[in-house]
Formats: sequence, structure tokens, C-alpha cells
Amino acid sequence: GQQLNQSPQSMFIQEGEDVSMNCTSSSIFNTWLWYKQDPGEGPVLLIALYKAGELTSNGRLTAQFGITRKDSFLNISASIPSDVGIYFCAGQLPTSNSGYALNFGKGTSLLVTP
Amino acid sequence: EAQVTQNPRYLITVTGKKLTVTCSQNMNHEYMSWYRQDPGLGLRQIYYSMNVEVTDKGDVPEGYKVSRKEKRNFPLILESPSPNQTSLYFCASSPTTAGYNQPQHFGDGTRLSIL
Repeated sequence: GQQLNQSPQSMFIQEGEDVSMNCTSSSIFNTWLWYKQDPGEGPVLLIALYKAGELTSNGRLTAQFGITRKDSFLNISASIPSDVGIYFCAGQLPTSNSGYALNFGKGTSLLVTP
Repeated sequence: EAQVTQNPRYLITVTGKKLTVTCSQNMNHEYMSWYRQDPGLGLRQIYYSMNVEVTDKGDVPEGYKVSRKEKRNFPLILESPSPNQTSLYFCASSPTTAGYNQPQHFGDGTRLSIL
């Protein structure tokens, strides 16, 4: 699969602060996805991006699909304790057999103190 | 309720003893896949299936088998488990094979420990 570089690896912030994380790749993707994983659970989709340059919001979350199609960022505004978890970016590409492959970054672990 | 269900959620077993992790989805999704999650490595795809009787290898298929005899079920089979297959496993599904506008939805995971 394609290598995705996600940063930062971890963040330790105070409640109310804004958070920013990003993913970059040497390859072009046609879809970027952002997931959150809580302890003991599977990843849950937060935001999906389908067009280069697209900026999409979901409540306090905002994500953008980079113009080059090789990167994406996720911002969380006014963080709260329940934002704690691991955030994953994922890039999606079609495969030669009419399927598609989803490649994940290694995750950003977010800790929020009250 | 729409969901992806994996069983068991936890399993401790020994090297060489065949095991199967089941995955079932109730959303009539065509596309299903298996991932393993390891510390520092994120999620890596093991196998995927675009429809009944159609399966293909992902990034780390060695030591695993899958089958897709019915649309709703996609079991992961470890014929002869080894300690390096100790991991957290996730099944996921999405409506169509194309994937466009159809993000994958994940089960709650199965934690396997192979001694």
C-alpha cells in the first residue's frame, strides 16, 4: 500500500485549545477520509473528502483535501475532553480489479486535559 | 441498527490451533475487508472482497485466508496461527465496490493473542 505520513504522532493539549493534524503522501489519492478511534472500539468516520481543494466541516471539525491531492489536514476547534482518542487519516485509490484500496496513516493520539 | 459485528471480541489461543474470526454486516454491503492494527503501524489491510465469491489480497495477506460465500459474512481464517499474528483485527464494509462516496464502516474489533 501507499505510505501516508501523519503528524504529529501525539498531542497533549488543554481543553479549549484548537488542534491541527495532517497527512501527506508521495502518491495522489482520489478520496481522503478522517477517522477517530476510541479505546476498545473500531474507527468511526468523521469526515470524507472527495475533491481536490474541498473544505468540509462537521461541527467543531474541519478538514481539507489538498490541491495536489497528496495531502489533507484536520482541525478541531475548542477541544473538549471527549475529543480524546486516536485520529487516523486514510487515502483511497481504485485498484486494477475494479476495487479500491484504503491506506491509513499511523494515527495521531490526542489527549485533552480539563 | 446498521452494524458490522465481529466475533469473538477477545481470544487467547496457542500456536498452530486453527481459528476463525467471523464478521457479519446487516447493511447489504457489497464491499468487505479485514485489517490488522499494531502499535506504531496503524491499520493494514489483510484481504478484501468486492462481492460474493470475489476476494483479493491486501497488503499483509500471509498466514490468513478468507471466504465470501454470502454477502453478509466475511470470515477471517488463521489455519496455523503464530505469535506474530497477535494483533487487533477489524472488519469493515461499505455499500459498493467503487468506494466513491461510500466510506467504510468498521466493527468493534477482535483482539487475538497467540501464545
